Amino acid sequence: KAGVTQTPRYLIKTRGQQVTLSCSPISGHRSVSWYQQTPGQGLQFLFEYFSETQRNKGNFPGRFSGRQFSNSRSEMNVSTLELGDSALYLCASSLEAGSFPSGPVGEQFFGPGTRLTVL
Amino acid sequence: SQQGEEDPQALSIQEGENATMNCSYKTSINNLQWYRQNSGRGLVHLILIRSNEREKHSGRLRVTLDTSKKSSSLLITASRAADTASYFCATDKTNAGGTSYGKLTFGQGTILTVHP
Repeated sequence: KAGVTQTPRYLIKTRGQQVTLSCSPISGHRSVSWYQQTPGQGLQFLFEYFSETQRNKGNFPGRFSGRQFSNSRSEMNVSTLELGDSALYLCASSLEAGSFPSGPVGEQFFGPGTRLTVL
Repeated sequence: SQQGEEDPQALSIQEGENATMNCSYKTSINNLQWYRQNSGRGLVHLILIRSNEREKHSGRLRVTLDTSKKSSSLLITASRAADTASYFCATDKTNAGGTSYGKLTFGQGTILTVHP
């Protein structure tokens, strides 16, 4: 099976612009999670999508949004970019994605990431 | 916010030596997982241990879990230069209710350097 793919791999934007990142999960995986990784804050959960629905969201401002398509591919969008948005953005797909209220989350398969630099 | 902390922050050893990394977390969990990351790339899953397990092995990896102390350790035996990477523990359950859907909470990681 092909792994998780993310495009683009590198992106340079300026403050105030917006950006869209794409993630294609492993075939058959319907859960896609997004994370932001920075040297200061480490790996932070952004949100999770399953069957085109956002089921969970981390503590990020509304400028960060996402969506999932019927083929499970997902995109995340960041509007009005700030310098602090410079980070490695990682998506991960999984089969066992948790449940309400707090069921187990299984192995996540990560893509190579998109390195976003905001100037 | 980070669920846990890893210790040490950095570890430097020679090839052939064993490397031990520790992870502490704050809340009850279902699973604890360890991931490896090479130089700013994606994370690779190493091993998952469930809360009712105490020890698990996979090749040169040995993971222990002590839920009473809310801690885990990852042992890499007979280290190789290719093991040089950052290692993260991740847990799947946090305080204050809510849902766990798709959310892993990562520690800050241990940077392991294995010298040839």
